[in-house]
Order: sequence, then C-alpha cells, then structure tokens
Amino acid sequence: QVQLQESGPGLVKPSQTLSLTCTVSGGSISSGSYYWSWIRQPAGKGLEWIGRIYTSGSTNYNPSLKSRVTISVDTSKNQFSLKLSSVTAADTAVYYCARERGGDYYDSTGRGYYYYYMDVWGKGTTVTVSS
Amino acid sequence: SYVLTQPPSVSVAPGKTARITCGGNNIGSKSVHWYQQKPGQAPVLVIYYDSDRPSGIPERFSGSNSGNTATLTISRVEAGDEADYYCQVWDSSSDHFVVFGGGTKLTVL
Repeated sequence: QVQLQESGPGLVKPSQTLSLTCTVSGGSISSGSYYWSWIRQPAGKGLEWIGRIYTSGSTNYNPSLKSRVTISVDTSKNQFSLKLSSVTAADTAVYYCARERGGDYYDSTGRGYYYYYMDVWGKGTTVTVSS
Repeated sequence: SYVLTQPPSVSVAPGKTARITCGGNNIGSKSVHWYQQKPGQAPVLVIYYDSDRPSGIPERFSGSNSGNTATLTISRVEAGDEADYYCQVWDSSSDHFVVFGGGTKLTVL
C-alpha cells in the first residue's frame, strides 16, 4: 500500500522560497505509469492543483503558478519536491502531495482524450507565510 | 481555462438521495472524478472516470456525466457522508493541467 508523507518548514517569510518534500513509501516512485502531484488548499477554501512530475522529469504546472513553481524528483530517495518562490500571505495553505494516474478514452467520433485523477494522497502539511 | 461550477451546499435527510452537480462547458466530453473531504483530512477519491468506484467505496456512491453536467449521487445517505465534495477534470484544451470545482458542502440534516 503506497503512502505519501509531506515534510518541510511550517513557516516561511514573505518573498522567500517555500520548499516541501514528499516521501513515497510502500512502493517505488519509478514503478508504474504514475505522475506525482502537489495540491494546496487555503483554510476554508477549495483545492488548487499546483503541478506534477513524471519520473522521467517531465512536468506540468498550473498556469497561474507556473512562473514561481518548480517540481523535481529524486528517484534514489523515492521523493519528489516542490519549490514555490516569492511567496506571499496568499500562499498560506495546507499542501498535499498525491499520486496521479490516468488513461485515455475515445468519444463517439473517435477523438482521443486523456484523463488523470489522484488516487493516493498524503495527509497534508500546513505552511504559513508570515514575517 | 476550463471552469467547473458546483453548488456551495446541498442538504439531505438521512436515508434519502443526495445529488451534487458539477457544471462545465461540454463536460460530457471529459472524464470527471470526485473526491470526498472531511474536516481536517485529506481528500479521498470516491468516483473516477465518470462512474467507476475505487475499491472500498460503498456502492451507494455513483456518478454520471452528460452534456454540460456531471453528477455525483449518494444513495441512502448516512451521517458519515457529511463532507465537502469536489469534482475534477483534466484540461487539455490549452495548458495541460488539473482543474477542480469549487466544492460542495453536503449537510446531513
């Protein structure tokens, strides 16, 4: 049973870089066709997808955060990481890491589509941006 | 970017059926996934690929998707179903990324 655990500083100063790590246990981060994702949730608000990485190093980012986000993977440590630069109070949130999986399907015209969803989540870690 | 619209709240009596909608432009052409989140906990996947249930999710949870609306249906609602529910799709129209709906608070009366 794969489990994910977030770790990192709970307090970050404004304008600095938020850094979090997600450790994968119960399975290899390199096995299977999975992406590894970061999602965040400000207190009392909804979920916001930050981005994801494949073990090949290929990444996708939320366009609204793309300029400030870097996600990397360390397969030797079975970990992947998030860096969010130039943080402000608006970046205060619970940050989750998750395993993302998907597939493809075809509509009635034969056009192909991809789908992805998060099937395993970490418990989340709270990060507060404050001086 | 693609927008998913959910009602902020839905209320239902125990034993009745709850229906939570997720609206989006031609969402029927996308694959929709649903998550349940209880206070202080991480989200849990309850429906994927429109209507499939992960192992361990009760058959009371079902999903459908057509036209501009996807629906999560919870039959024979129990007090333990009270939670926030989020729909989610993969937006490949421009930038490729995951989109969540704003979430719906299900209250069991």
